[in-house]
Amino acid sequence: SYELTQPPSVSVSPGQTASITCSGDKLGDKYACWYQQKPGQSPVLVIYQDSKRPSGIPERFSGSNSGNTATLTISGTQAMDEADYYCQAWDNNVVFGGGTKLTVL
Amino acid sequence: EVQLVESGGGLVQPGGSLRLSCAASGFTFSNYEMNWVRQAPGKGLEWVSYISSSGSSIDYADSVKGRFTISRDNAKNSLYLQMNSLRAEDTAVHYCARMGLYGSGTMDVWGQGTTVTVSS
Repeated sequence: SYELTQPPSVSVSPGQTASITCSGDKLGDKYACWYQQKPGQSPVLVIYQDSKRPSGIPERFSGSNSGNTATLTISGTQAMDEADYYCQAWDNNVVFGGGTKLTVL
Repeated sequence: EVQLVESGGGLVQPGGSLRLSCAASGFTFSNYEMNWVRQAPGKGLEWVSYISSSGSSIDYADSVKGRFTISRDNAKNSLYLQMNSLRAEDTAVHYCARMGLYGSGTMDVWGQGTTVTVSS
């Protein structure tokens, strides 16, 4: 079965750029999307089709996908961005990465 | 307002059954594919099941195949998950999620989740 691998944790200072990676075999040949989940809340879609932002998602969220790696980038990271982030792709069915806890400190 | 509201969770003994429901509002439910996704305590997201907009195509994760049944009633704007032969490892928050028009399984609307606890 297809697997997506994310680092368990990433730390970033406020105002700096955070990058969260998601690796999978030939992931660049598929579309990747990203969800943000804050404690006690449901996931929220922040990036779809590799790099597109749904309405209401701040411009500081961006994405890319090439080769075996998709990347979620948060520019000018704010304290409110502290959350778990999950990548997701499609390989006959929905596949999630294991999630990355983003700490803003 | 586009909304999904789950219900039906609770405490059940191993081997027992539960039926989860998801009520949709604010959009044309019959136009959208739907999923159930779950999250065990302190763990990541796990896809559970998929159903096409008409209900004619269905799929399950290996972990629930043969035990869970997904269904929908487009006339009632509702999605269901019948869960049988429940195990301790099924303990999780269960979310229903709408597959948006972006393709590739992308889920653009999520419910608040309903908690299933399997314990004796």
